[in-house]
Amino acid sequence: GDSVTQMEGPVTLSEEAFLTINCTYTATGYPSLFWYVQYPGEGLQLLLKATKADDKGSNKGFEATYRKETTSFHLEKGSVQVSDSAVYFCALSENNTDKLIFGTGTRLQVFP
Amino acid sequence: GAGVSQSPSNKVTEKGKDVELRCDPISGHTALYWYRQRLGQGLEFLIYFQGNSAPDKSGLPSDRFSAERTGESVSTLTIQRTQQEDSAVYLCASSRDRVAEQYFGPGTRLTVT
Repeated sequence: GDSVTQMEGPVTLSEEAFLTINCTYTATGYPSLFWYVQYPGEGLQLLLKATKADDKGSNKGFEATYRKETTSFHLEKGSVQVSDSAVYFCALSENNTDKLIFGTGTRLQVFP
Repeated sequence: GAGVSQSPSNKVTEKGKDVELRCDPISGHTALYWYRQRLGQGLEFLIYFQGNSAPDKSGLPSDRFSAERTGESVSTLTIQRTQQEDSAVYLCASSRDRVAEQYFGPGTRLTVT
């Protein structure tokens, strides 16, 4: 079945460092891909998404590019802030289906 | 406006008891989803409602789990004869329709002792 694999955390960075959180997927069709973020004490929020190959999703300085050839959707940010500390979840949704399939989440801790 | 709300936020129950978890979706959202997150694992899909019908119940782990929805409003997830492996955070999400962004509630943390 479809699945999502993302790097284990925690990822610990200093403020202004470059961030990459790896995500790869397995799917039989052509899924839509998502990054969700969960800030401490808050619910999951959609961070960005891409619906077809080579699309780039971006929001709040974060970017991820849908790479069909490598089945990846890595999350990047050029300069992280303490306020980016959260748990990040990669997810997919097969076209014409309704459920999201999530990775296990990666905790990011940014220190001043 | 108000987001998705869930109650209770925390529930501790004894093994073998039944529990009911409640989700109030965003007003006007026709689609509603239940997910489960066990410690150290990703979110698992449980069930999806479109209106008050459930076209996809494929994620319900056993017949001890059931869910209902009243119209396009509140949903309850019921777990009968709880087991320790049911301990998890249960998350509800709603969306305008089946292909729109899902908005998540804060979750109910269930602990079965």
